[in-house]
Amino acid sequence: AQTVTQSQPEMSVQEAETVTLSCTYDTSESDYYLFWYKQPPSRQMILVIRQEAYKQQNATENRFSVNFQKAAKSFSLKISDSQLGDAAMYFCAYRSIQGAQKLVFGQGTRLTINP
Amino acid sequence: DTGVSQDPRHKITKRGQNVTFRCDPISEHNRLYWYRQTLGQGPEFLTYFQNEAQLEKSRLLSDRFSAERPKGSFSTLEIQRTEQGDSAMYLCASRQVPGRDNEQFFGPGTRLTVL
Repeated sequence: AQTVTQSQPEMSVQEAETVTLSCTYDTSESDYYLFWYKQPPSRQMILVIRQEAYKQQNATENRFSVNFQKAAKSFSLKISDSQLGDAAMYFCAYRSIQGAQKLVFGQGTRLTINP
Repeated sequence: DTGVSQDPRHKITKRGQNVTFRCDPISEHNRLYWYRQTLGQGPEFLTYFQNEAQLEKSRLLSDRFSAERPKGSFSTLEIQRTEQGDSAMYLCASRQVPGRDNEQFFGPGTRLTVL
């Protein structure tokens, strides 16, 4: 079974600065997807960025980028130019391409933005 | 708003009572997932439907839990004889398959408190 680990329960960053959230995972599969989801307080979980395992190029979405290290099974999220609206719980998630294709989540990192 | 709705948003019940939650997915999505999220943790998979067929159930889904998706549209999750350990956020997500790139869209969740 796949597992996802986020070792930073809480992180904080000054507004306009850059912050990196860490995630490691374990799998025996060679093809899969990795995701970062954002869950603001009392609001719906939304997708921030995704990475396909067979793509070597790291995904980028505006101020959000990932550092995907397949051999090390590491998948970190970098948020540049942090904004107050970035404050939320961030979850790293794994999805197999087979079977149920359910999401396997890490424990989450609570990100605080300091004005 | 992701297009996935859940009702009710909050439910407070006494131990031993039965509760039922509803999820309305994005209309064209044929796959529907249920997850449970306890405080400070990431969501955990409970079960999923492909159209009206329930194809996989997690070990977390005890025999007090039952889920249905009678016409392949909305889904209900019922918990019988609730226990305090059932207190959690119950999340629903939907997705269209096939389409390996297609993401899961999450509803706002139903927060259950068992007194």
